[in-house]
Amino acid sequence: EAGVTQSPTHLIKTRGQQATLRCSPISGHTSVYWYQQALGLGLQFLLWYDEGEERNRGNFPPRFSGRQFPNYSSELNVNALELEDSALYLCASSFVGNTEAFFGQGTRLTVV
Amino acid sequence: AQKITQTQPGMFVQEKEAVTLDCTYDTSDPSYGLFWYKQPSSGEMIFLIYQGSYDQQNATEGRYSLNFQKARKSANLVISASQLGDSAMYFCAMREGEGDDKIIFGKGTRLHILP
Repeated sequence: EAGVTQSPTHLIKTRGQQATLRCSPISGHTSVYWYQQALGLGLQFLLWYDEGEERNRGNFPPRFSGRQFPNYSSELNVNALELEDSALYLCASSFVGNTEAFFGQGTRLTVV
Repeated sequence: AQKITQTQPGMFVQEKEAVTLDCTYDTSDPSYGLFWYKQPSSGEMIFLIYQGSYDQQNATEGRYSLNFQKARKSANLVISASQLGDSAMYFCAMREGEGDDKIIFGKGTRLHILP
């Protein structure tokens, strides 16, 4: 069975541009979580989607947004990129309820 | 206030020895889940083990076990017979409620296994 897949693996953007990151959850999982991990730091919660709805949002500016599609895949959009947005972006999926959550391999975003 | 506390920023352990990575958590919710993840230098987050707050027995997965002490709000990860490939960053995490909330992570412990 396929795990959580994220694309692209690496992304290089210029300051001010927009970035779109994608996540496909494990089959059957309805919840998708997005996290940002800046170099040498822990995981900062960005967004949580379940059943197509945004359920919770971390302390990030509005230029970080996303959506979840009917097939439960998800997109994270970052507008007006800043240098400090350079980080590893991780997506996780789980069933609803308190169960295990599995991560994808991440997208490494570099803003130059 | 920190919800997840990992007090060991780094640890050095001899190969084949057992390792205990500390994690304490803070919640007033009776229902919650506790997770441990391994992050090697490649960056991917590898799920290791999960413990639900209502689980009667400590979770085990191969060489990994979770020493769950509910009254002390402690969820230490024990790795038996450590291997060189265990060298990585380890994160403890928690999800409160009936799984209807975000997962919160600790700052992590970097484990170095020495040959």
